[in-house]
Amino acid sequence: DIQMTQSPSTLSASVGDTVTITCRASQSISTWLAWYQQKPGKAPNLLIYKASSLESGVPSRFSGSGSGTEFTLTISSLQPDDSATYYCQQYNSYSTFGGGTKVEIK
Amino acid sequence: EVQLVESGGGLIQPGGSLRLSCAASGFTVSNNYMSWVRQAPGKGLEWVSVIYSGGRTYYADSVKGRFTISRDNSKNTLYLQMNSLRAEDTAVYYCARVSLTTNWYFDLWGRGTLVTVSS
Repeated sequence: DIQMTQSPSTLSASVGDTVTITCRASQSISTWLAWYQQKPGKAPNLLIYKASSLESGVPSRFSGSGSGTEFTLTISSLQPDDSATYYCQQYNSYSTFGGGTKVEIK
Repeated sequence: EVQLVESGGGLIQPGGSLRLSCAASGFTVSNNYMSWVRQAPGKGLEWVSVIYSGGRTYYADSVKGRFTISRDNSKNTLYLQMNSLRAEDTAVYYCARVSLTTNWYFDLWGRGTLVTVSS
């Protein structure tokens, strides 16, 4: 099974900051990676697919990069509405999610 | 409106059975790959099962042999039959549509239904 490890588990940043979340796969997954945003009590919402493709309707301050085993989600100019937990997901072999990164606004 | 609405969750004793439903609107379930994903209280997301448009099914090792995914094309509804339930199956269960590219990322989610396995 492919394991996905996210870091950090929690981060705190100010409005306007640029934040980066890292996701590492236990083996190469090419670019078969997605990122989701989840707010408390809500379903996840797709942000990025195929490592760097922005889902329709998602603000352009969200971007993804990486391939193989290391990936990043970057949020530029952090907004109050970005307070949420973010998950990566590999879909190279079945599907596995990372443990999540909680983003808090200072 | 394109949406998914889950139902059927509740409190069930260990060893019991429960069937979850996911009613779709705005698109045809049988033309898409559909999946179930769960989230234990305060925990992360766990993929559970998928059904292809052609009917092929796959399961996570944690539920294989106990859970069955299916659909009713006439009702445009996805199901998850859960048998031999354990305390560790306690979670919010989401149904999700696999992307139209058939790559296993999920572009549409329901609101979820809570399953609590406890005596």
